Amino acid sequence: KAGVTQTPRYLIKTRGQQVTLSCSPISGHRSVSWYQQTPGQGLQFLFEYFSETQRNKGNFPGRFSGRQFSNSRSEMNVSTLELGDSALYLCASSPSWDGEKLFFGSGTQLSVL
Amino acid sequence: GIQVEQSPPDLILQEGANSTLRCNFSDSVNNLQWFHQNPWGQLINLFYIPSGTKQNGRLSATTVATERYSLLYISSSQTTDSGVYFCAVERAGTSGSRLTFGEGTQLTVNP
Repeated sequence: KAGVTQTPRYLIKTRGQQVTLSCSPISGHRSVSWYQQTPGQGLQFLFEYFSETQRNKGNFPGRFSGRQFSNSRSEMNVSTLELGDSALYLCASSPSWDGEKLFFGSGTQLSVL
Repeated sequence: GIQVEQSPPDLILQEGANSTLRCNFSDSVNNLQWFHQNPWGQLINLFYIPSGTKQNGRLSATTVATERYSLLYISSSQTTDSGVYFCAVERAGTSGSRLTFGEGTQLTVNP
C-alpha cells in the first residue's frame, strides 16, 4: 500500500506570491491533517479535514487555508507569502476521525525569498 | 494548551548502547504517539501508546497516563537510529487528531 504522497517536494517562492501544496493520503484513509515545522517553532498543527469538512484549525492567520476533496486528497494554500512562512509542511493521514495513529508524508520544503 | 517536554534534548551514543527518552505532559491525554524523524525529514510513526506498554523489535514504549509521562526505550542502538525523536499528544476531551509535539530529542549514534 502506498504511503502518504506530498507534492511538490521542494518549492521556492517570493514574498507576496501564493502557493498550493498537495497531499494524497494512504488509500482508505479519510482524515488528513497538516503541520508546519520550523527550527524556531517546531512542529505546529495547521488544520485537519475529515469527509471534506475542516474539523480542527490551529492558530495560524487566515492566509493559511485548505480543503479536502471527495477522494480524500487534500490541498493547502498560503496566500501573500511572508519570509516567515519558509518551513517544512507535513501532511498526515489516518483511517478515521478520532484518536488514530498518524502516518506522515515526506513533506514539502517551502522557501520564501 | 497542553505542554509537552522531552528530555534529554540531545543524546550521543556508541553503537550497541541502550537509551531511554522521556516525555512529560501537563494534562490528561487520549492520544500519545512517538515519531522518528529521519535525515530526509519524514516522520515515521513508532508507537501509538496513550497508555500501557508496547514493544516493536529493539524499541519499546511505556506510558503512565496517571503520572503524565511516557518513555521510549532503544536497545542495542544502530547508526540508523540517528535522528530526532518526537513525542506528540492530544489532550483528553478533545476530538480529532490535533497533536501537540514536544521539541524532540536529537539522537546521534556513532559507529
